[in-house]
Amino acid sequence: GAVVSQHPSRVICKSGTSVKIECRSLDFQATTMFWYRQFPKQSLMLMATSNEGSKATYEQGVEKDKFLINHASLTLSTLTVTSAHPEDSSFYICSARREVTDTQYFGPGTRLTVL
Amino acid sequence: AQTVTQSQPEMSVQEAETVTLSCTYDTSESDYYLFWYKQPPSRQMILVIRQEAYKQQNATENRFSVNFQKAAKSFSLKISDSQLGDAAMYFCAYRRSRGGGADGLTFGKGTHLIIQP
Repeated sequence: GAVVSQHPSRVICKSGTSVKIECRSLDFQATTMFWYRQFPKQSLMLMATSNEGSKATYEQGVEKDKFLINHASLTLSTLTVTSAHPEDSSFYICSARREVTDTQYFGPGTRLTVL
Repeated sequence: AQTVTQSQPEMSVQEAETVTLSCTYDTSESDYYLFWYKQPPSRQMILVIRQEAYKQQNATENRFSVNFQKAAKSFSLKISDSQLGDAAMYFCAYRRSRGGGADGLTFGKGTHLIIQP
């Protein structure tokens, strides 16, 4: 099956520091990956679309300079939360689109806690 | 912009019984995809079922089936013979067809399904 991994699964950082989250498609190539954010007991909200070899497309209201996305290869997208603040604490989930089936497969998520 | 509405924050069903989760959506597109995802306590999103809007036939996957009413913009999920492992949050999601699949999903707020033994 199609497997997507995320690393780390949990991260705790101090306010003002930057945190990088990796999303990898393990057994397929993905030209398109997506980053979602999920607050406790709430739904997933699309933050941005990550395109291999080009700039990410951000949803309205998402700060591009705060949430840096790099899709440097067909199997890896990274989300860097810059100058993190406590309000950035959330569950971040990535998905990767497998073109042959036109299906998005989700990673297991990363819980970010900013102290 | 498209919206997805799940009006049932929580549903409860006896094991082995049937339960239906509701979902409505709003879009100006004529071609799109609809999904039901399951999120257990592990928080891993699992695709339950998928429906292409151009297909009139309702999708089924074993004990899971949908009732897709395009004109009413309704997309309900029926779970038959409920099992304890079905307990989870269920999210309805929408994706337009234009864009070659490069669009993210729009999710509803979810329904927490409880299975009573």
